[in-house]
Amino acid sequence: DAKTTQPNSMESNEEEPVHLPCNHSTISGTDYIHWYRQLPSQGPEYVIHGLTSNVNNRMASLAIAEDRKSSTLILHRATLRDAAVYYCILRRGSNYKLTFGKGTLLTVNP
Amino acid sequence: EPEVTQTPSHQVTQMGQEVILRCVPISNHLYFYWYRQILGQKVEFLVSFYNNEISEKSEIFDDQFSVERPDGSNFTLKIRSTKLEDSAMYFCASIFASGGSTGELFFGEGSRLTVL
Repeated sequence: DAKTTQPNSMESNEEEPVHLPCNHSTISGTDYIHWYRQLPSQGPEYVIHGLTSNVNNRMASLAIAEDRKSSTLILHRATLRDAAVYYCILRRGSNYKLTFGKGTLLTVNP
Repeated sequence: EPEVTQTPSHQVTQMGQEVILRCVPISNHLYFYWYRQILGQKVEFLVSFYNNEISEKSEIFDDQFSVERPDGSNFTLKIRSTKLEDSAMYFCASIFASGGSTGELFFGEGSRLTVL
């Protein structure tokens, strides 16, 4: 599986935007970029995914670099409920298995 | 909103005992997974299941582990003879995975296994 690199932790203030970076320099053409998050004491939860173009949904936006070697998850207005570990995962084609790394622990300050 | 449900939420067992963790995936989903997370560590893939057979398994998934889909709704993980190091949170997940699918893997809330 292609590897992703994320900061161990980030901090944000409530109601401010958060930009969570992810590097994936060895991404291949069939790799989808997925983001999941894990709230304390819960199972992982899907956030967003994309292939080449930027994506928006009700939870977040995903900005993908033109060369696809990096991406950024954008939470437009962080809330306390967004405090979680965020995982950037590359998923290849039709293999739906996810390989989790350590992710980024996001702390949201009131 | 449909969800993956898991039982029990917490099980305590003695080393060497058999445990069965149960999952009810979302009803029209086709692919099923078990993951585990030892306290403070990464979420680790154990096994994937499709069309009534294992499609992929990790090195962790040794002969002590087995999975079954005994009827149209349940998906179980059995650990035959538990060890201390099996203590972890076990997550079940499922995905529809067909044309038009968002590719979203749905996870349950987890079953915490404590082996004494």
